[in-house]
Amino acid sequence: EDQVTQSPEALRLQEGESSSLNCSYTVSGLRGLFWYRQDPGKGPEFLFTLYSAGEEKEKERLKATLTKKESFLHITAPKPEDSATYLCAVQAAMDSGYALNFGKGTSLLVTP
Amino acid sequence: NAGVTQTPKFRVLKTGQSMTLLCAQDMNHEYMYWYRQDPGMGLRLIHYSVGEGTTAKGEVPDGYNVSRLKKQNFLLGLESAAPSQTSVYFCASGYEQYFGPGTRLTVT
Repeated sequence: EDQVTQSPEALRLQEGESSSLNCSYTVSGLRGLFWYRQDPGKGPEFLFTLYSAGEEKEKERLKATLTKKESFLHITAPKPEDSATYLCAVQAAMDSGYALNFGKGTSLLVTP
Repeated sequence: NAGVTQTPKFRVLKTGQSMTLLCAQDMNHEYMYWYRQDPGMGLRLIHYSVGEGTTAKGEVPDGYNVSRLKKQNFLLGLESAAPSQTSVYFCASGYEQYFGPGTRLTVT
């Protein structure tokens, strides 16, 4: 059974204090690993898709990396506006519906 | 270009009532999805569609029905609402799953 575990559940950072969020996964053949950002009361916002181990993608202060067992979302010099819940999800290669299996998320708070 | 829209934004039902949630997308996507999000449970797939006229069950389909009569619309129905269906419902569209703003449903 596919599993996605995100850690930590919650993270509090000071503005400018870089850190990483972890997403560990088990899946019977990975088609893609997805990262989303979700603000309170809103729908998840697509950030990245990673397809193979060693791949990296960047967007502003965020960089996502992928290994065969986990993905990291690195946040460099975060700002208060980066506060949100970050969701990780995997898409199995065998799933013809391209459905996503989500982790429970990491709630990030960045204080001034 | 509105992306993915959901109607209504909020709804309160009594146990046993029925309702339909509407999802519309203007990106010409084949794939559309319905998820529910509950505290501590994360996002769970209810039903999905791989094209007009097709539907399939996800992880938690019981108590829900869906229809995809037009490519741009995906409807989620609750025939007899139960308190356990109190949740936030999200529709998503496309391979990379762009999400709508959600419908907050309370069943009393």
